[in-house]
Amino acid sequence: ETGVTQTPRHLVMGMTNKKSLKCEQHLGHNAMYWYKQSAKKPLELMFVYSLEERVENNSVPSRFSPECPNSSHLFLHLHTLQPEDSALYLCASSQGWNSYNEQFFGPGTRLTVL
Amino acid sequence: QQQVKQSPQSLIVQKGGIPIINCAYENTAFDYFPWYQQFPGKGPALLIAIRPDVSEKKEGRFTISFNKSAKQFSLHIMDSQPGDSATYFCAATFTGGFKTIFGAGTRLFVKA
Repeated sequence: ETGVTQTPRHLVMGMTNKKSLKCEQHLGHNAMYWYKQSAKKPLELMFVYSLEERVENNSVPSRFSPECPNSSHLFLHLHTLQPEDSALYLCASSQGWNSYNEQFFGPGTRLTVL
Repeated sequence: QQQVKQSPQSLIVQKGGIPIINCAYENTAFDYFPWYQQFPGKGPALLIAIRPDVSEKKEGRFTISFNKSAKQFSLHIMDSQPGDSATYFCAATFTGGFKTIFGAGTRLFVKA
């Protein structure tokens, strides 16, 4: 595997379910990100981890819970979601976090909340 | 103001045409302006980027024009091809920060 991988690619869940999204980066980067992508809206930064420490929590509801056990893996735990949470969830990584560092994105998980 | 306003929302051009995508920002603290390209089923990927001390940057058929006084920048795609059909996002970031502010995206379709 190369680059940034995400699993699952598609997920359908009910409002009372608990599920997790997984992201893995094979680039040796030390910063990882979760974004939400909704149709016709800008990408919304949700969380940023640098060296496994959360450095940004962008006013995200507590029904989204991130976890970064090491610099290569990032999880997004989901519980009691709402239909408006249906979107494409993108993971990205970068080397360091200064403004000139390119972010490498995974293909995303398409989430549908029924 | 941490927004980046992008237009148009969608764009259709003939092969060989020059689509232009425009972006505007308010916060003068932004100091790096990347463009990302996203194909269906894929995540965005960095296409080209510019710093505000440069007025133009070219990489292959892609050119960024930057107007610092107007706080505007744009992407031009020369000799566009059907393979350029994708969604394009402009973005802006801060020195030393990790927050990238994205525009809403422009869906480009290049007709063969």
